[in-house]
Amino acid sequence: ILNVEQSPQSLHVQEGDSTNFTCSFPSSNFYALHWYRWETAKSPEALFVMTLNGDEKKKGRISATLNTKEGYSYLYIKGSQPEDSATYLCAFRSTLTFGKGTMLLVSP
Amino acid sequence: DSGVTQTPKHLITATGQRVTLRCSPRSGDLSVYWYQQSLDQGLQFLIQYYNGEERAKGNILERFSAQQFPDLHSELNLSSLELGDSALYFCASSLGTGNVVTGELFFGEGSRLTVL
Repeated sequence: ILNVEQSPQSLHVQEGDSTNFTCSFPSSNFYALHWYRWETAKSPEALFVMTLNGDEKKKGRISATLNTKEGYSYLYIKGSQPEDSATYLCAFRSTLTFGKGTMLLVSP
Repeated sequence: DSGVTQTPKHLITATGQRVTLRCSPRSGDLSVYWYQQSLDQGLQFLIQYYNGEERAKGNILERFSAQQFPDLHSELNLSSLELGDSALYFCASSLGTGNVVTGELFFGEGSRLTVL
C-alpha cells in the first residue's frame, strides 16, 4: 500500500445498526494514524490519534483499532444514530496524507 | 471552535488573478498545514510550516506559494489562477511542542475559492 485507502466509499445504515470502516496505509515509516469526523459544512475534527500497534481507543459508541504491521485500522460505530452521519477520514501522519473518507448516512 | 481562523471564507475571482488566503493557528501551535479539497477529491496536502520554516511539501503547484510569519500566522498565495484551482482550502495547525510528528490537526473552517 503506497497510499491511504478507505473503504467503503459510502455507507447507508438504519438507526441502531452497528457498522465499521477500514483504513489501509503504508506499513513502513509509521508515526501515527488519525481518525477524523467531518460533518457537512463544518471542518474535520479529530476522533482518535493512534500510535502503537494493537492500540484500541474508544469514545462513547465509537472505537478504533490499529495494526501497524499489516497497515490497517478499523473504525467501529455501535448502535448508529442519525447524528453520526458524517464523512469519516483517516490520515497517515507520516506523510500527512488523508484517505478520501467513508461517507456515512444513518437513517432514522 | 477549533481555534484556527481562516480568512476570507469565500472568494470569487477571475482566471489569471492572484489571491492570498490567510490562516491564524491555535494559540501555542507552531505547525501550520495547508490542504486543498477539490470536487470529488479528498484532502490534498499542499505544504507544512513549522515555526516559520517549511517542513514538508506535498502536491503544491509552482504557481502556489506559502509562508509562515514570526507571529506564526500563515498565508497561501495562489497566482495565475485557473478554473481548476476552484476548491476549498483548509488550514490546520498542530501542537508545537511534544508530539510534533504524531499530534492531531485542528482545522479552520476553510476558504472557498471560486475561479470564474
